[in-house]
Amino acid sequence: GESVGLHLPTLSVQEGDNSIINCAYSNSASDYFIWYKQESGKGPQFIIDIRSNMDKRQGQRVTVLLNKTVKHLSLQIAATQPGDSAVYFCAENISNAGNMLTFGGGTRLMVKP
Amino acid sequence: EAEVAQSPRYKITEKSQAVAFWCDPISGHATLYWYRQILGQGPELLVQFQDESVVDDSQLPKDRFSAERLKGVDSTLKIQPAELGDSAMYLCASSLELGRTEAFFGQGTRLTVV
Repeated sequence: GESVGLHLPTLSVQEGDNSIINCAYSNSASDYFIWYKQESGKGPQFIIDIRSNMDKRQGQRVTVLLNKTVKHLSLQIAATQPGDSAVYFCAENISNAGNMLTFGGGTRLMVKP
Repeated sequence: EAEVAQSPRYKITEKSQAVAFWCDPISGHATLYWYRQILGQGPELLVQFQDESVVDDSQLPKDRFSAERLKGVDSTLKIQPAELGDSAMYLCASSLELGRTEAFFGQGTRLTVV
């Protein structure tokens, strides 16, 4: 399959370490956020979401943190595995713009065995 | 497991030709999105439907692109005439309702215009 993102920011981590991927958003009207994982040649895959009335949400091996004061979102992956290697995107729902779901630029995660 | 279906997976077309992509959302999902993803970038929203109605198409190049969802279920995105710069991945996604619910994506259609 072809590469999803050739010029994206890249985070390289050792297998077993924790990963933190960051995302900044600009619209204060954004009320819902989603993290997606995209592997080469595939569509984005839902990982976890969070509403603006929360500041933390946990899933299986993943945690999303939301800081509305500085408009910052992060995805933490515990015990990173080779299968986590992909491009990660954050998406925000802008409620005052017809509930448009818009995406950030993405980060490539590379897991070294 | 329910999924969003898209076809074709790959399409090669000559510039100035017409091309169409099809999307079948997850059953019961009222909201349908079409995105374009250029290599190395995040998906860019082209058009958003709620049932059969267009909610937002402000980013759709309407001189050459059109989208419809006549019965509020499956959808077609058309480009006529195709240009070299239209080469990209075209992604369809659906969600239960508009805003604040998770959107699920199909595998996309990779378009190459030659």
